Amino acid sequence: ETGVTQTPRHLVMGMTNKKSLKCEQHLGHNAMYWYKQSAKKPLELMFVYNFKEQTENNSVPSRFSPECPNSSHLFLHLHTLQPEDSALYLCASSQDLVGSSYNEQFFGPGTRLTVL
Amino acid sequence: GQSLEQPSEVTAVEGAIVQINCTYQTSGFYGLSWYQQHDGGAPTFLSYNALDGLEETGRFSSFLSRSDSYGYLLLQELQMKDSASYFCAVLLDSNYQLIWGAGTKLIIKP
Repeated sequence: ETGVTQTPRHLVMGMTNKKSLKCEQHLGHNAMYWYKQSAKKPLELMFVYNFKEQTENNSVPSRFSPECPNSSHLFLHLHTLQPEDSALYLCASSQDLVGSSYNEQFFGPGTRLTVL
Repeated sequence: GQSLEQPSEVTAVEGAIVQINCTYQTSGFYGLSWYQQHDGGAPTFLSYNALDGLEETGRFSSFLSRSDSYGYLLLQELQMKDSASYFCAVLLDSNYQLIWGAGTKLIIKP
């Protein structure tokens, strides 16, 4: 596997279900991100991890719970979601958060989530 | 608040040149970047402008004018494979986060 992988690619869940999204990066990067992408809207940054430590939580509801056990893996645990949470959830990584040069973000293919 | 505006859709003909504009309202930022996303695919990095002026990478060029709060992506010799959505994003200097535009869907006709 190369780059950034995400599983599952598609997920349908009821509002009472609990599920988890998984992201793995094979690039040796130190920073990882969760984004929400809804149609015709800007990407919304949800969480940022740098060296396994959460550095940002952009007012995300508690029904979304991130976990970063190491620099290569990132999870998003989901519970009691709402239909408006249906979207494409993208994981990304970058070499670092800060630096003297731009840190390009590498994205996974995303998980298409549908909440019924 | 901080926001970026870009057209929702642009149509062009194969072989032609197209410019996708991005205007922004933001406090301090390091630079403007552009990403491409094909339907069903992941966003991929195209370019980054830290300084005012034009950056050229093959058929693609990107421009930034901080005084005008404006940038654009220029695509030359359009090919059908360039049909995709293009996103501009600014890198904030307060927290090193990217703030994104809503994307421009580029439709290319033969």
